Amino acid sequence: SQTIHQWPATLVQPVGSPLSLECTVEGTSNPNLYWYRQAAGRGLQLLFYSVGIGQISSEVPQNLSASRPQDRQFILSSKKLLLSDSGFYLCATQRGGEKLFFGSGTQLSVL
Amino acid sequence: RKEVEQDPGPFNVPEGATVAFNCTYSNSASQSFFWYRQDCRKEPKLLMSVYSSGNEDGRFTAQLNRASQYISLLIRDSKLSDSATYLCVVNIAYGQNFVFGPGTRLSVLP
Repeated sequence: SQTIHQWPATLVQPVGSPLSLECTVEGTSNPNLYWYRQAAGRGLQLLFYSVGIGQISSEVPQNLSASRPQDRQFILSSKKLLLSDSGFYLCATQRGGEKLFFGSGTQLSVL
Repeated sequence: RKEVEQDPGPFNVPEGATVAFNCTYSNSASQSFFWYRQDCRKEPKLLMSVYSSGNEDGRFTAQLNRASQYISLLIRDSKLSDSATYLCVVNIAYGQNFVFGPGTRLSVLP
């Protein structure tokens, strides 16, 4: 069965610092991969999704970027964090043709 | 109009109560539908898919009305452990485009 590894669990970063969050998937090949963000008290917002290596679609303009250097690796990055980047970041993969499954998430606080 | 809307909540119910959540979606091309459960500071977890004919999983029953673009979730005999936020999710085209509702928070009280 598929397993999603996401780290770190929590992160506190100063404004203007860089960001790199990594997500890896085991137990599958060529998965669709997603990055979502959930701001405090808000719903999930799709940031990026990828259907294959090097293929990234962006849903929302922002100062974040994503990359997929390997089939089962998805990275979320920023060169300079903003206060508004604070939130709960979730990596997800599709399983069973339809269903979306999430990693355990990273709680990012930008101060 | 938001793509997926849910009851604003929160719902505070006693143990053993029956509670129903409603969800509406705006895109008539939506293909598949789900209910997820999210505990505080945790990732959403799939509760159940929603099928056109309606489906049941133990104390949970999901219904879909495509004509009205409406989805529901019924929880019978509520348990304390059912306390969570329930997310309605719509997939616009198989794969890729999953749209989440804002969620409805449920608190089951002893």
